[in-house]
Amino acid sequence: KNEVEQSPQNLTAQEGEFITINCSYSVGISALHWLQQHPGGGIVSLFMLSSGKKKHGRLIATINIQEKHSSLHITASHPRDSAVYICAVLTGTASKLTFGTGTRLQVTL
Amino acid sequence: KAGVTQTPRYLIKTRGQQVTLSCSPISGHRSVSWYQQTPGQGLQFLFEYFSETQRNKGNFPGRFSGRQFSNSRSEMNVSTLELGDSALYLCASSTGTGESFGQYFGPGTRLTVT
Repeated sequence: KNEVEQSPQNLTAQEGEFITINCSYSVGISALHWLQQHPGGGIVSLFMLSSGKKKHGRLIATINIQEKHSSLHITASHPRDSAVYICAVLTGTASKLTFGTGTRLQVTL
Repeated sequence: KAGVTQTPRYLIKTRGQQVTLSCSPISGHRSVSWYQQTPGQGLQFLFEYFSETQRNKGNFPGRFSGRQFSNSRSEMNVSTLELGDSALYLCASSTGTGESFGQYFGPGTRLTVT
């Protein structure tokens, strides 16, 4: 079993829909990242959180440390949100990230 | 501040050759981590350097090595290239200290081994 599990693996939504991507992990972590990767490969770190909730524009990330679960929400989705979203956990004090397999999101008009 | 830069962006090598990739972190960041991304294995941690010392290492063979210079720039080297080494190699920098610290990714180097 992978240490970091994401669901769903693939997601298709229509523009304007509310989207939720889930991440569950089985190890103790010091922080969790949500990353966005567009075709071409570049990765952007959307959020790093260790507790509670963070919001940036139409993106919201939450984490429940006790349940070892995090969610990424996208409100009013747009075609430019189409990308792969990756959950990654930081364990220990060194900068070692363990990654989920990613969720491929496609938002259509 | 300038972001993380990686050179070269694209590289084609032949089996058996060796390759060196470079990563320049954000100014002030002392930690550089390297990751390999392949369609089959996804993103995997290679190693992390902090203040010129390897602080953490993933499960890769000894053909994969790295180093960090006093200005925090880092290089990774892959010797005796295999077809399976074809991948996107990403580096990320962070301050490397504190309770938790964000990582900033470079654009990656896409290596193709033929």
